[in-house]
Amino acid sequence: QQPVQSPQAVILREGEDAVINCSSSKALYSVHWYRQKHGEAPVFLMILLKGGEQKGHEKISASFNEKKQQSSLYLTASQLSYSGTYFCGTEIPDKLIFGTGTRLQVFP
Amino acid sequence: SAVISQKPSRDICQRGTSLTIQCQVDSQVTMMFWYRQQPGQSLTLIATANQGSEATYESGFVIDKFPISRPNLTFSTLTVSNMSPEDSSIYLCSVGRRARDTQYFGPGTRLTVL
Repeated sequence: QQPVQSPQAVILREGEDAVINCSSSKALYSVHWYRQKHGEAPVFLMILLKGGEQKGHEKISASFNEKKQQSSLYLTASQLSYSGTYFCGTEIPDKLIFGTGTRLQVFP
Repeated sequence: SAVISQKPSRDICQRGTSLTIQCQVDSQVTMMFWYRQQPGQSLTLIATANQGSEATYESGFVIDKFPISRPNLTFSTLTVSNMSPEDSSIYLCSVGRRARDTQYFGPGTRLTVL
């Protein structure tokens, strides 16, 4: 039931791009993306709703394929501040189920 | 956005004791959620706490072990009862108007059980 994220870990140089994928075995009402830095609480990045509506961070983009029950987060021109663990959260009625997580490290 | 505080921020407890974690929000919110995050792992939903009704627990979590109170729209508590070392984890509360809206997380309570 827990969404599966890929890759598990990514290492980047500043300025490089990355894609993080989230796949669910259940029909999705919406997909949320959060970033968590070590020792801190998760921070909201983006929500993608059925029908194409998106809410979130101006510098981050994402896609939501309702039929395939998948979402992807696109990080372009990465910065050192992008380092952290990224979680997708898939909505099933009245709650979010978080994915397995992707650890992203950006080096100078 | 919502500002959320949790108390305590961390604690070290003995096996067999109980700990109550408080979650305070600076505005009235409909839905409050309690999560557990074990080291290096994802967030696992324990229960949804709605004001005026009993909490709704996820599979694998029971009220006797994790009793929850939600006396009003700005406050909730989670008790971890009869603790064992397996309960060592970070416990986070989050709030939102609905599950599909932005959820805001508290800073977490880091619990170590000896």
